[in-house]
Amino acid sequence: GAGVSQSPSNKVTEKGKDVELRCDPISGHTALYWYRQSLGQGLEFLIYFQGNSAPDKSGLPSDRFSAERTGGSVSTLTIQRTQQEDSAVYLCASSLAGELFFGEGSRLTVL
Amino acid sequence: GQNIDQPTEMTATEGAIVQINCTYQTSGFNGLFWYQQHAGEAPTFLSYNVLDGLEEKGRFSSFLSRSKGYSYLLLKELQMKDSASYLCAARYNTDKLIFGTGTRLQVFP
Repeated sequence: GAGVSQSPSNKVTEKGKDVELRCDPISGHTALYWYRQSLGQGLEFLIYFQGNSAPDKSGLPSDRFSAERTGGSVSTLTIQRTQQEDSAVYLCASSLAGELFFGEGSRLTVL
Repeated sequence: GQNIDQPTEMTATEGAIVQINCTYQTSGFNGLFWYQQHAGEAPTFLSYNVLDGLEEKGRFSSFLSRSKGYSYLLLKELQMKDSASYLCAARYNTDKLIFGTGTRLQVFP
């Protein structure tokens, strides 16, 4: 596609449920990033994939969070046993050489 | 750590000039980005500095001093539509991009 695509755009779930957020990067972009943004806050780094290298998971806040990138393209961020503090916008970005291109984000609300 | 520090909020008047400062940790640093984010929207790229000096792009300019771990974004001839958050982000050795908390700029008529 022309840009980074994320789905779902909005997700409301109950505390304790698992959620999956999907990111379709720009074709050919080797780097893929996940960030979390709480209301009125900056972007919190979660995880970074670059080509076939091992991902940098240093930003994942707990072991309830995991992400994978299949075939060097689509990525899925999974949050298990969601908590209310997980409520935020989850932004995905892809890059080829420097500049990051962001998707519109997935807004997660945990009730 | 790679703390990125920038002011939380700034205000300015339409037509004026505003400078948004950003400091970062220099160890492993290899580039500085500025992004603009309007409320409810995704961030969009403004500028990228890797060498010392000033990069000018229309009404927006960005400056970098690698030795001081310092950058600023300069916005000239402010317009109402420039009201947004401005995010400073530093890239480190592994290409990981770390963002500051953002500076919320309000432009008043």
